[in-house]
Amino acid sequence: DTEVTQTPKHLVMGMTNKKSLKCEQHMGHRAMYWYKQKAKKPPELMFVYSYEKLSINESVPSRFSPECPNSSLLNLHLHALQPEDSALYLCASSQRTATNEKLFFGSGTQLSVL
Amino acid sequence: AQSVAQPEDQVNVAEGNPLTVKCTYSVSGNPYLFWYVQYPNRGLQFLLKYITGDNLVKGSYGFEAEFNKSQTSFHLKKPSALVSDSALYFCAVRDDTGGFKTIFGAGTRLFVKA
Repeated sequence: DTEVTQTPKHLVMGMTNKKSLKCEQHMGHRAMYWYKQKAKKPPELMFVYSYEKLSINESVPSRFSPECPNSSLLNLHLHALQPEDSALYLCASSQRTATNEKLFFGSGTQLSVL
Repeated sequence: AQSVAQPEDQVNVAEGNPLTVKCTYSVSGNPYLFWYVQYPNRGLQFLLKYITGDNLVKGSYGFEAEFNKSQTSFHLKKPSALVSDSALYFCAVRDDTGGFKTIFGAGTRLFVKA
């Protein structure tokens, strides 16, 4: 199994809603990442988990709350989002956080905030 | 700080012709360079990575990349383009201060015409 699975694929939410994005991998990878990608732009790093501990928070607003319940799962909890938060949210994993490690990406969750 | 630049927003090539997608890099230490491809509404897929000492790196789907230290470039190439190669291509560099961050170039859209 060399896949990173993200659910849901599409999400529409109002600014007062609370929702969660889910990411799962069963490759034994110990580093997991959340990226945000606007249309026709490169992915921007949001969070990095290494061995289930938050290693990097790229100054992301608190309305985004990551969680890593175990080594296979990564969640992104959303609350009180703004329309400008509409984007493709990508989860990725790598075996470790070493510099020569490639990233495995999920297909993403396309989020629309109304 | 590590960075990569992709000078072309779009590259157009006829099917069967060779293609080149350009990337230049700026790193303070060893270059940890990657190419990823993104098809519409999908996550990124790893194509290849630079391996120290190899000036020509072979990757997936017949792609290869030429590393040139004096020109600080890591151009993606393919001898014969296919229509199915049409996608968005990202050059990326891995931060060597801990390895947590992958920094992506702006992306180059490749359009292969039949």
